[in-house]
Amino acid sequence: AQTVTQSQPEMSVQEAETVTLSCTYDTSESNYYLFWYKQPPSRQMILVIRQEAYKQQNATENRFSVNFQKAAKSFSLKISDSQLGDTAMYFCAFMKQQNYGQNFVFGPGTRLSVLP
Amino acid sequence: DGGITQSPKYLFRKEGQNVTLSCEQNLNHDAMYWYRQDPGQGLRLIYYSQIVNDFQKGDIAEGYSVSREKKESFPLTVTSAQKNPTAFYLCASSTSYGITEAFFGQGTRLTVV
Repeated sequence: AQTVTQSQPEMSVQEAETVTLSCTYDTSESNYYLFWYKQPPSRQMILVIRQEAYKQQNATENRFSVNFQKAAKSFSLKISDSQLGDTAMYFCAFMKQQNYGQNFVFGPGTRLSVLP
Repeated sequence: DGGITQSPKYLFRKEGQNVTLSCEQNLNHDAMYWYRQDPGQGLRLIYYSQIVNDFQKGDIAEGYSVSREKKESFPLTVTSAQKNPTAFYLCASSTSYGITEAFFGQGTRLTVV
């Protein structure tokens, strides 16, 4: 079974600084997808960024980028120019296509606080 | 607008009662999921359904039941057999195939009183 680990339960960063959230996963699959979701205090889950495992190029979405190391099974999220609105829980997620649908597995989350 | 709607947002239940949480989507997604979220923990899968009239148990299905009679709807019943039902419940959906993320509803906070 796949597992997702986020080793940092809580982190904080000063506004405008850069922060990196860690995520590792365990799988024997070669083709899969990885995601970072944000859950602000409203508790709405919002997709931040996604990465296809077959792509070597790291995904980027504005201030958010990932460092995907397939051999190391690592998928970290970098937030540049942190803003107060980035304060949230961040969940790393793994998804693989199965014969009968998809399987999403989520990590335990990292609570990020952006300080003014 | 397309999306997933969960209702109610807050729900209170007396011990020994069953309660049903609603989840409706108009994204034309085949797959739907129910997750439970407890403080300090990630999302744990309760049940999922990849097609109408079929569903599978997730990691923590005991004390819960679901139905999938329509593509758009995937209600979750929390039964009296669930020993610790107070939690935040999230419903999600996705297409069954292709590169896609899971889309989430706004959640239901269930409190047993």
